[in-house]
Amino acid sequence: DGGITQSPKYLFRKEGQNVTLSCEQNLNHDAMYWYRQDPGQGLRLIYYSQIVNDFQKGDIAEGYSVSREKKESFPLTVTSAQKNPTAFYLCASSRSGATSINYGYTFGSGTRLTVV
Amino acid sequence: SQKIEQNSEALNIQEGKTATLTCNYTNYSPAYLQWYRQDPGRGPVFLLLIRENEKEKRKERLKVTFDTTLKQSLFHITASQPADSATYLCALDMSGATNKLIFGTGTLLAVQP
Repeated sequence: DGGITQSPKYLFRKEGQNVTLSCEQNLNHDAMYWYRQDPGQGLRLIYYSQIVNDFQKGDIAEGYSVSREKKESFPLTVTSAQKNPTAFYLCASSRSGATSINYGYTFGSGTRLTVV
Repeated sequence: SQKIEQNSEALNIQEGKTATLTCNYTNYSPAYLQWYRQDPGRGPVFLLLIRENEKEKRKERLKVTFDTTLKQSLFHITASQPADSATYLCALDMSGATNKLIFGTGTLLAVQP
């Protein structure tokens, strides 16, 4: 079955460390997204990519970096510059084209990052 | 900037009743409004989409309405079941290009048997 795989499910980071969250999809979707979810807040967009080798900052990109070298993969690096990284991170993908809006986003199961 | 408000953080109803969840937004009407279901520790799952020129959309026991005058969408689950218990998120697509959805904080629905 097609879908999005995020790994790991749980991740612990020490202060000052960079960590990378994996996101892989086999849906042949062009667009991919990273969101952060905190208790009591809606999902907030970190970065998005509409095509390979191109990505744009979302609303809260500071302290994060991404790459999009392959259509299937959109890894997110949480750098030491991110002051409050503890959160639930969600990766999503979507189709492109005229009918894409009918299908919404497909989300992965998320990675819960905790700073220790 | 665009803001979204979803009614009360939690909604408790009895099995078999109709659950009604509210999504209010400020400023400009979105091109599309989407509803998602999220279970604890999982990613959201897309349920329904309604366009700005549509008044109502149905899918099985689900019904969504969209009132651009009131700047509000209502999400109804008829004949609710305990398995419907989850958090429901509304999301606005301002551009129609589906490249920057704005999500609400969600409403936690608990259906009591």
